[in-house]
Amino acid sequence: LAKTTQPISMDSYEGQEVNITCSHNNIATNDYITWYQQFPSQGPRFIIQGYKTKVTNEVASLFIPADRKSSTLSLPRVSLSDTAVYYCLVGELNSGAGSYQLTFGKGTKLSVIP
Amino acid sequence: SAVISQKPSRDICQRGTSLTIQCQVDSQVTMMFWYRQQPGQSLTLIATANQGSEATYESGFVIDKFPISRPNLTFSTLTVSNMSPEDSSIYLCSVERSWPYSTDTQYFGPGTRLTVL
Repeated sequence: LAKTTQPISMDSYEGQEVNITCSHNNIATNDYITWYQQFPSQGPRFIIQGYKTKVTNEVASLFIPADRKSSTLSLPRVSLSDTAVYYCLVGELNSGAGSYQLTFGKGTKLSVIP
Repeated sequence: SAVISQKPSRDICQRGTSLTIQCQVDSQVTMMFWYRQQPGQSLTLIATANQGSEATYESGFVIDKFPISRPNLTFSTLTVSNMSPEDSSIYLCSVERSWPYSTDTQYFGPGTRLTVL
């Protein structure tokens, strides 16, 4: 299983851009990179997914270099409501179950400060 | 995305009893997953439930303790049996859904917060 490494915590002021970098040195050719956001007492919420280069949606951007050994989640102009834990995951096919299995790491706790 | 509901949202149970958690999806899905999230920790996969076959359990989880049912393509249950305080956690179900332009990914329910006394 490809493991991910990301900072345990980050602080940011409101209105700033936040970049959270995740390392996944053992990523496989067919793996996609997925980011989730989790608020306390809620299930994780899908944010963005990508394979290479750059992906952008209404919430965030995901930057993936050519070697795909890392990725950076970019949150533009964060607000207090963006305070949450952000998980970087690398999706792998679980041959036993015939499906993609996501392995959650410890995540990055982002605290947005007024 | 998918709309996923879980029942109950929370419960407080006595040691030695069992609790069945329900997960309902708004559309048919092939794969459903059950996770556990202990206080302050990340998510751990308990098992994968494919409709029409036995659930596949991860290391450290057994069917006798966490029996799972998957009677149709929109519903699943997880039972936490013979509970102890160590089973106090949030239990989450998720479903796999194909996402345009990429591979499958998972969408999560709101979770069931279980406290065992």
